[in-house]
Amino acid sequence: DAGVIQSPRHEVTEMGQEVTLRCKPISGHNSLFWYRQTMMRGLELLIYFNNNVPIDDSGMPEDRFSAKMPNASFSTLKIQPSEPRDSAVYFCASSLAGTDGYTFGSGTRLTVV
Amino acid sequence: AQSVTQLGSHVSVSEGALVLLRCNYSSSVPPYLFWYVQYPNQGLQLLLKYTTGATLVKGINGFEAEFKKSETSFHLTKPSAHMSDAAEYFCAVIISGGYNKLIFGAGTRLAVHP
Repeated sequence: DAGVIQSPRHEVTEMGQEVTLRCKPISGHNSLFWYRQTMMRGLELLIYFNNNVPIDDSGMPEDRFSAKMPNASFSTLKIQPSEPRDSAVYFCASSLAGTDGYTFGSGTRLTVV
Repeated sequence: AQSVTQLGSHVSVSEGALVLLRCNYSSSVPPYLFWYVQYPNQGLQLLLKYTTGATLVKGINGFEAEFKKSETSFHLTKPSAHMSDAAEYFCAVIISGGYNKLIFGAGTRLAVHP
């Protein structure tokens, strides 16, 4: 298996622009998570999907953030409009049985200028 | 609320020395415990996990950790540090009974010097 695949690896955008981050989970995994990592806040869970349904989005910082999972093999995290404080590394992770831990993607480094 | 505390945001050891990274958790029910490693510009990789059974668990790259319920600890150790062990290490916990949300500690950056 290729693991959790995220794209793009790097994204530089101007403030106010829309940004879409993409994630392909491991085939057969039924849970998907989006995390944000910054120096100040560490790893923050943004949203969790189970069987393509959003279960907990309490970590989504603002209405500018939205996430979708249209099918078991694809998820997006969208920021619109983007702001410089959104600059961070965004990780996607998936799991089959959460008690076995999660498998993380390589992340997307977002820079908003 | 469940939480994970990693003592020491930075740890520095000499090559060949013992590595000890500390992790304590708070939970009123038996937890599932994990250690992840993050190398620069990479994602998080699972080092080892404790779910049930033997309290001493062995992971990749020579690391191991021991679950001590009485101390609510899950410290990570390696007998002899290599330069390649330099990375950030995260302790994490899943509290059984919930939806298996993984709660991370703040991380410990390990430096290994010659």
